[in-house]
Amino acid sequence: ILNVEQSPQSLHVQEGDSTNFTCSFPSSNFYALHWYRWETAKSPEALFVMTLNGDEKKKGRISATLNTKEGYSYLYIKGSQPEDSATYLCAFGGNNRKLIWGLGTSLAVNP
Amino acid sequence: GAGVSQSPSNKVTEKGKDVELRCDPISGHTALYWYRQSLGQGLEFLIYFQGNSAPDKSGLPSDRFSAERTGGSVSTLTIQRTQQEDSAVYLCASSRSSGSNTGELFFGEGSRLTVL
Repeated sequence: ILNVEQSPQSLHVQEGDSTNFTCSFPSSNFYALHWYRWETAKSPEALFVMTLNGDEKKKGRISATLNTKEGYSYLYIKGSQPEDSATYLCAFGGNNRKLIWGLGTSLAVNP
Repeated sequence: GAGVSQSPSNKVTEKGKDVELRCDPISGHTALYWYRQSLGQGLEFLIYFQGNSAPDKSGLPSDRFSAERTGGSVSTLTIQRTQQEDSAVYLCASSRSSGSNTGELFFGEGSRLTVL
């Protein structure tokens, strides 16, 4: 059974804090690792799609790293802002053209 | 439209009734996916379309669930004889890619189904 695990399940930080979450996934048959942000009452929005071991991607204050050999990815948020409050989802893409999703990390940033 | 559009945004129905959920993907996106998220669960894959054909229907929970896509565009997900366990948010996503796992997904805002 393919499993994608995200930790922590939820996180509360103060505005200005930097934070990071983890996504663990199978280390075999790897094709892609996706990160999405899902704000309440909105649609999930893609942050990154990563395909290469050692890949690092950045979008503004948010960045992600990928280790396909050991099966993990980290998402970092530098200087958290209240508008970063959302659920952050990761999804593993293997060789069967179907994404397997984690349960997400719920982030709340207090002003 | 500019984004993926889903309707209805909210649907409350009685157990045993049929419901139809609609997804209008981004123009030109060949791949279309249906997912659902039940309370406390992760996103659950239901079905994937490449053009009008559905190469992977493996996620449909039972034969009460069916989906079609016409003209390589709009898709409908139909749930017959709804049960309370069908209550969930049903999300549609489209992608430019030919169905690989490397294409970014563009999601609609979802249809929240409540079966009483």
